Amino acid sequence: GAVVSQHPSRVICKSGTSVKIECRSLDFQATTMFWYRQFPKQSLMLMATSNEGSKATYEQGVEKDKFLINHASLTLSTLTVTSAHPEDSSFYICSARDLSAAGEKLFFGSGTQLSVL
Amino acid sequence: AQSVTQLGSHVSVSEGALVLLRCNYSSSVPPYLFWYVQYPNQGLQLLLKYTTGATLVKGINGFEAEFKKSETSFHLTKPSAHMSDAAEYFCAVSPSGSARQLTFGSGTQLTVLP
Repeated sequence: GAVVSQHPSRVICKSGTSVKIECRSLDFQATTMFWYRQFPKQSLMLMATSNEGSKATYEQGVEKDKFLINHASLTLSTLTVTSAHPEDSSFYICSARDLSAAGEKLFFGSGTQLSVL
Repeated sequence: AQSVTQLGSHVSVSEGALVLLRCNYSSSVPPYLFWYVQYPNQGLQLLLKYTTGATLVKGINGFEAEFKKSETSFHLTKPSAHMSDAAEYFCAVSPSGSARQLTFGSGTQLTVLP
């Protein structure tokens, strides 16, 4: 089946630094990818929709200048957490949408645990 | 707006016993319903989904779920648990089937005891 690779799986950074998370679709082209955030014992919350070749669409309450999304190719979307603070510590998950004749399918990355000290 | 409630953040069953993971939803329009499974260090994988038609949906690994409109439920079951079923399970709803409108429950961690 289709695979989505998310990297890194875990990152620890100092407060004020920026962190980049990559999401790659390995065997299909994804014009659309999604970024989620998950707090412990809570559900995945959609942060933004990443569109290849255009600006990302952010959900209400998500700071677009804090969470920079770039989707420069059909197989790669990146999420950069800028000037990270401890409250940004969370589990971040991406997914990629595969549109085929069989319909829409979503494939998920394995997530990135971000810890900001 | 839609929402999903998964009753029980942790469920433990013995190997060979029935697995029942509960999911209730609210949706203002006929919903598309999904169950995803997440194994340790892996991404979410689709177990099964309900769109329209038959209310009993069969998925991978012997799991099935039944859409009950009157109860607004979509509980996940498996007749006989296997050790390999230990994972986190997420129920999700989308009013139109759109991935952007997918709303997830908070997940249920399934432990299978030998």
